Amino acid sequence: SQTIHQWPATLVQPVGSPLSLECTVEGTSNPNLYWYRQAAGRGLQLLFYSVGIGQISSEVPQNLSASRPQDRQFILSSKKLLLSDSGFYLCAWSMNGGNEKLFFGSGTQLSVL
Amino acid sequence: GQSLEQPSEVTAVEGAIVQMNCTYQTSGFYGLSWYQQHDGGAPTFLSYNALDGLEETGRFSSFLSRSDSYGYLLLQELQMKDSASYFCAVGSGGSYIPTFGRGTSLIVHP
Repeated sequence: SQTIHQWPATLVQPVGSPLSLECTVEGTSNPNLYWYRQAAGRGLQLLFYSVGIGQISSEVPQNLSASRPQDRQFILSSKKLLLSDSGFYLCAWSMNGGNEKLFFGSGTQLSVL
Repeated sequence: GQSLEQPSEVTAVEGAIVQMNCTYQTSGFYGLSWYQQHDGGAPTFLSYNALDGLEETGRFSSFLSRSDSYGYLLLQELQMKDSASYFCAVGSGGSYIPTFGRGTSLIVHP
């Protein structure tokens, strides 16, 4: 069966510090991968998605970046965090051609202080 | 681009039936999905409609009207554990990248 792992679960970082969140998927090949951010009490904002290794599409301009160094690994990074980067970050995957059904990781609660 | 509208909050009593609506504006519509998210948790997939009509899965049903750009999620025999946020998401464009609504917070009272 397929599983998705996302870590860490919580993170407190000072303004201006770097960020690296990692997500890995097991039990499937060539998945579509996503990073979403959710502000408190709000909907999910798509940040990045990837349909293959090294293929990253960005939805909104920001100081975040994403990379997909391996087929089932998706990394969200920042060189210098802003206060506005605080939020709940969710990684998700879907079958290639099956984007109507996303499977989400357990999320990372990021607080930038 | 895409936009979705959902009521922010719905309240109901245990054992009742509740309907949560979703209206959308998008080009190249593919389908409408629904997700459930409990506080502090990750969203989980509930249902998907690509064609007009009602899809039923146990206590959950989802409806779509493509001509009205409208759908709803129906929950029957409400239980306390159904208290959660419910998001609709539309897929559109060539690669169906899901766009989510802001969600409806369902509060179930005893």
